[in-house]
Amino acid sequence: GAGVSQSPRYKVAKRGQDVALRCDPISGHVSLFWYQQALGQGPEFLTYFQNEAQLDKSGLPSDRFFAERPEGSVSTLKIQRTQQEDSAVYLCASSWTGTSSNQPQHFGDGTRLSIL
Amino acid sequence: DQQVKQNSPSLSVQEGRISILNCDYTNSMFDYFLWYKKYPAEGPTFLISISSIKDKNEDGRFTVFLNKSAKHLSLHIVPSQPGDSAVYFCAASALNRDDKIIFGKGTRLHILP
Repeated sequence: GAGVSQSPRYKVAKRGQDVALRCDPISGHVSLFWYQQALGQGPEFLTYFQNEAQLDKSGLPSDRFFAERPEGSVSTLKIQRTQQEDSAVYLCASSWTGTSSNQPQHFGDGTRLSIL
Repeated sequence: DQQVKQNSPSLSVQEGRISILNCDYTNSMFDYFLWYKKYPAEGPTFLISISSIKDKNEDGRFTVFLNKSAKHLSLHIVPSQPGDSAVYFCAASALNRDDKIIFGKGTRLHILP
């Protein structure tokens, strides 16, 4: 597939469990972004990678959220000790480069996370 | 404090007519603006963008207008088609600072037959 791929599409977890969400960006894309989209809201920035380097994690809501991209390709967003307010759609996006260029971000279809 | 505002949660337009979606922003550092379209259960799809050095960008049926002094942009779709029914997100970024995109809350567009 040529697009951004996210898995799983849906995840249901009990409060307190840990979850891991995966993102496969478009091949060759340098930049990778994670967003959180609550119901009725626009996507909100969580964190940004350029290759394997996490350049901005200012949007992560708490230290329970952790993201990595160890080889500069696939990324994983991990949420520890999940809370009900973590329920949202988590979107991943990638682009050719993140350095001051007019390159739009291409989004995956997201993972819908529901915390019971 | 919302930096990108889409004040109309929804809009209904007759098929064949012009759809105009509006967006306001507050951060004067924004220099790149985008519109994304989103269908249910899918991720946002890039539609059109405009740099702050321009005031208009056109791509087929879609035109984006930027009024920097008013910190306002709009997306025009003409003629509107049934497949245009979706949620439209306005977004902005400050390219010279970072590539973080700030999204509005979206406007749901309904194209009526």
